[in-house]
Amino acid sequence: NAGVTQTPKFQVLKTGQSMTLQCAQDMNHNSMYWYRQDPGMGLRLIYYSASEGTTDKGEVPNGYNVSRLNKREFSLRLESAAPSQTSVYFCASSEAPGPETQYFGPGTRLLVL
Amino acid sequence: RKEVEQDPGPFNVPEGATVAFNCTYSNSASQSFFWYRQDCRKEPKLLMSVYSSGNEDGRFTAQLNRASQYISLLIRDSKLSDSATYLCVVTWSDMRFGAGTRLTVKP
Repeated sequence: NAGVTQTPKFQVLKTGQSMTLQCAQDMNHNSMYWYRQDPGMGLRLIYYSASEGTTDKGEVPNGYNVSRLNKREFSLRLESAAPSQTSVYFCASSEAPGPETQYFGPGTRLLVL
Repeated sequence: RKEVEQDPGPFNVPEGATVAFNCTYSNSASQSFFWYRQDCRKEPKLLMSVYSSGNEDGRFTAQLNRASQYISLLIRDSKLSDSATYLCVVTWSDMRFGAGTRLTVKP
């Protein structure tokens, strides 16, 4: 099992460009999450999907959109990238929503110039 | 005040030392508590859950103090491989992560 996979691993964007971060899990988990991690701050939840067909905003959703394509895949889209979105993005999944163990992907390092 | 606060460290300790980290949280309605470990430039991974009565996993002991709203992690007989950042995680409606405490174990 690959667990949680993310693509790309690294990306450099110019301000105003758009891109989609891809995430897939093969653990048959119902819930999936997108976080960002910045220096000196904990991981912050951007969006989550408690189950296939549902998505909800987390702590820092502005500037992002998500799509739960199917049970396996959950994508994060930046429509117009800004330097403030320079960060490391982690996707995670868990069997159920709530206080369940979350399994993280390897992360995407994004630099917006 | 941050919702979940940790001493950022770094903690530099020799092999074999005992080291303890604390984490405080602001929401008294918090339901579940975890410690995650994150190696440099890697993803976080669950180290252990924290139970009300305290729990141990080998050299690691986690404790919860609901009255004072903090959790702790004790590592005994530190190994070089314990060098990492330790993230405190508290849940209420969703999971809230501390910024992490960096530990370096030196020979």
